[in-house]
Parts: sequence; structure tokens; C-alpha cells
Amino acid sequence: AQKVTQAQTEISVVEKEDVTLDCVYETRDTTYYLFWYKQPPSGELVFLIRRNSFDEQNEISGRYSWNFQKSTSSFNFTITASQVVDSAVYFCALISGGGATNKLIFGTGTLLAVQP
Amino acid sequence: ETGVTQSPTHLIKTRGQQVTLRCSSQSGHNTVSWYQQALGQGPQFIFQYYREEENGRGNFPPRFSGLQFPNYSSELNVNALELDDSALYLCASSLASYPSDEQFFGPGTRLTVL
Repeated sequence: AQKVTQAQTEISVVEKEDVTLDCVYETRDTTYYLFWYKQPPSGELVFLIRRNSFDEQNEISGRYSWNFQKSTSSFNFTITASQVVDSAVYFCALISGGGATNKLIFGTGTLLAVQP
Repeated sequence: ETGVTQSPTHLIKTRGQQVTLRCSSQSGHNTVSWYQQALGQGPQFIFQYYREEENGRGNFPPRFSGLQFPNYSSELNVNALELDDSALYLCASSLASYPSDEQFFGPGTRLTVL
């Protein structure tokens, strides 16, 4: 079975705090891709990052960083020094298998509220 | 701005009616995928079209159907609407259907079924 679990339904932080959003995935395929998307109130999904299963290097992009650990099937997302503009729903997603498919399997999302 | 547009923005229908939702992909993008996002849930894959042919389908009944046109526009049709069809419907376009092909999402159409 292929599945993405985001156990945190809602997180509320005060501006400038660091926050980590958890993502656990399940797949039996050895080739897979993991994603994070941001969904602001406007509804449009905004792509943040893609990692493939063969690249476990962590990545940092400005205030955003991602920790990919195959041993625990996790792909966590950290926002450093959060800002009000970071308030949104964040989705972790999976594409499983190495074929010609880009069907995304999404988690249920984490609503992040950053208070001023 | 992703260059993907959807219409209408909002729609209200009654149970049993039929609805057509529209998506305009980025020029040159041969693949369009449709997702249903119920309130408080993640998007669920409905189906995908590549060069006007269905290229994969999720766990949705046949009353959900689609079309893709040569001008990079596409439609999602839903017949015999049910209350549970109330959701945000998102389309996403990409060059092809490989995992490395980034998908660009539209803003969605919010459908309410009464």
C-alpha cells in the first residue's frame, strides 16, 4: 500500500519560532519521489520541493529545510524563524514507482498558523 | 502564478444534476491531472490525460469523466451529482507524466452540491 501520513492536523506558533512539520510515507517500491506543497487560502497548490528515493541529502532553501530519512520513512519539513506569510496548509505527497506516472498521493495536510 | 487557470471559481448544483469544470493548462503541457479535495483532506487523484487519451485513473466511479483538447484545455464532467461530490476540484498540468515533470496547479473550482 502507498500512503502518506501527516499526524499533525494543526500547529500554531508565534512569529520567529521554528516549526517542524512531520511526514511519514509508506511504499514497497524502491524508486519513489517525495514532495512538499503549500496551499494558501487561495487554494492553489504551490510546489516547494521534490526528492527522489536515491538522494537522502538534506536540503536547505532559505528559511526552509527538509530532512529525508529512509530508515524511518520520514520526510520532515522545518521552517526557521517563521513568518505570518508562512500561514497555510502544507501537504506532503508521494509518487511511487519508476514508470511514466506522476500521480500524487497526498497526506491530509497540516494547517500552520503563525501568529504575529 | 502558475499559468494554469480554472473556471468557474465557485459553483452550486443540486443533487442529481450534471456539472462541467474547465481547466486551461500551460501552453506545451501535454498532461493534465484532476484531483478532488474534500474539506479538511488532501487532494485525491481522479484521472490523468496525456495527449487527449486517459492515462490513469484513481478510485472514482465512471460518472466522473474527462476530456482533453488540442488547445491545452480540458474538462472534468460529473454526472448524477451526489452530496459527497462537494469539494475543491484542482487541475494540474505538466509537460509529460514522469515524476520529474513538475506539476503546476490551478486555483481550483469549489463545487457545492445541495
